[in-house]
Amino acid sequence: EPEVTQTPSHQVTQMGQEVILRCVPISNHLYFYWYRQILGQKVEFLVSFYNNEISEKSEIFDDQFSVERPDGSNFTLKIRSTKLEDSAMYFCASTWTRNNEQFFGPGTRLTVL
Amino acid sequence: AQTVTQSQPEMSVQEAETVTLSCTYDTSESDYYLFWYKQPPSRQMILVIRQEAYKQQNATENRFSVNFQKAAKSFSLKISDSQLGDAAMYFCAYDTGANSKLTFGKGITLSVRP
Repeated sequence: EPEVTQTPSHQVTQMGQEVILRCVPISNHLYFYWYRQILGQKVEFLVSFYNNEISEKSEIFDDQFSVERPDGSNFTLKIRSTKLEDSAMYFCASTWTRNNEQFFGPGTRLTVL
Repeated sequence: AQTVTQSQPEMSVQEAETVTLSCTYDTSESDYYLFWYKQPPSRQMILVIRQEAYKQQNATENRFSVNFQKAAKSFSLKISDSQLGDAAMYFCAYDTGANSKLTFGKGITLSVRP
């Protein structure tokens, strides 16, 4: 069964460093998402991506964040100049059409020291 | 803005018994979609069940069913014949017709007693 994959599973970085979180969505999916979950809290929407551009972004998704689909298969989230409060689980999700089930990856645990 | 409320932080059920998890939401939209996602200790988000707001019939998926009350903006999940593997965090989520982003509740931790 096709699945969304994410790498790395755990990333540790120093405050102020840049990180890139990678996702490979399911191959025939057209809509892509990033969510984050701070430990013990709810899952929060960050950004949606369709047709090679951002469809919507949340207030959390400020200039520190960017997304890319560089090669038609990977979908990346870049966080520039990481802060302590960026420590969270980051989930990538994809779906083939709006409002359908979003398939989630296993997540990347980001720890900012 | 849409909000999703799960007021019970934790629930416990005896194996083989039935449990109902509550969820309410607030929206001014008429066209939307509701979901229950399960998050086991591995933290992978897994879809349990999906309901389209325009459908009056409650969705059912094996041991999982929902009680969707559109006027009351309520969307509860019933788990029948609870199994040890049902122990997890359960999130209620809302998706608008227009924007297709999931808004999650805070989640409820379900434990299953053997």
